[in-house]
Amino acid sequence: EAGVVQSPRYKIIEKKQPVAFWCNPISGHNTLYWYLQNLGQGPELLIRYENEEAVDDSQLPKDRFSAERLKGVDSTLKIQPAELGDSAVYLCASSSSAGARELFFGEGSRLTVL
Amino acid sequence: AQKITQTQPGMFVQEKEAVTLDCTYDTSDPSYGLFWYKQPSSGEMIFLIYQGSYDQQNATEGRYSLNFQKARKSANLVISASQLGDSAMYFCAMRGGGTASKLTFGTGTRLQVTL
Repeated sequence: EAGVVQSPRYKIIEKKQPVAFWCNPISGHNTLYWYLQNLGQGPELLIRYENEEAVDDSQLPKDRFSAERLKGVDSTLKIQPAELGDSAVYLCASSSSAGARELFFGEGSRLTVL
Repeated sequence: AQKITQTQPGMFVQEKEAVTLDCTYDTSDPSYGLFWYKQPSSGEMIFLIYQGSYDQQNATEGRYSLNFQKARKSANLVISASQLGDSAMYFCAMRGGGTASKLTFGTGTRLQVTL
């Protein structure tokens, strides 16, 4: 069974440029999460989807960040425009349901903003 | 609000020895779950072990065990018979009661297993 797939693994952009990250969760997993992991820190939740509905986006900086999960399967996280402080790893995770014990994580997308 | 504290930025352990990674937590939820994740250099977070707040016994999963002391609000991870492949970052996390509760992570401990 394929795990959570993220792309790109690495992205280097200049500040003020847009960037997008893609995530394909494990087949059948209804719940999808985007986490931000700064260097030396633990992941922090940005947004959680139940199917195609964003049920927790309280930590998403909505002035520059957006996310979508149109068909309730794969998801895209966008930053526009990127700032220097956005340099981090963006992790996607999925679980079979919101109450499922185990979250399955992808390998992350490492963003460097110059 | 939930808070996870991991006070050990880094730990060294010799191969085949046991090691304990510390984790303390704070929450006002009467029901909660505690998790440990491993993050190797590849970047993905790998689930290791889970302890529910009402579980009577400490959780065990192979070489991993969780030393749960509810009164002290601690949930230390014990890795027995360390292997070189155990070298990684280890994160303690918790989720409060209810399916809407998010997973809150600590800052992690980097474990290095030496020969």
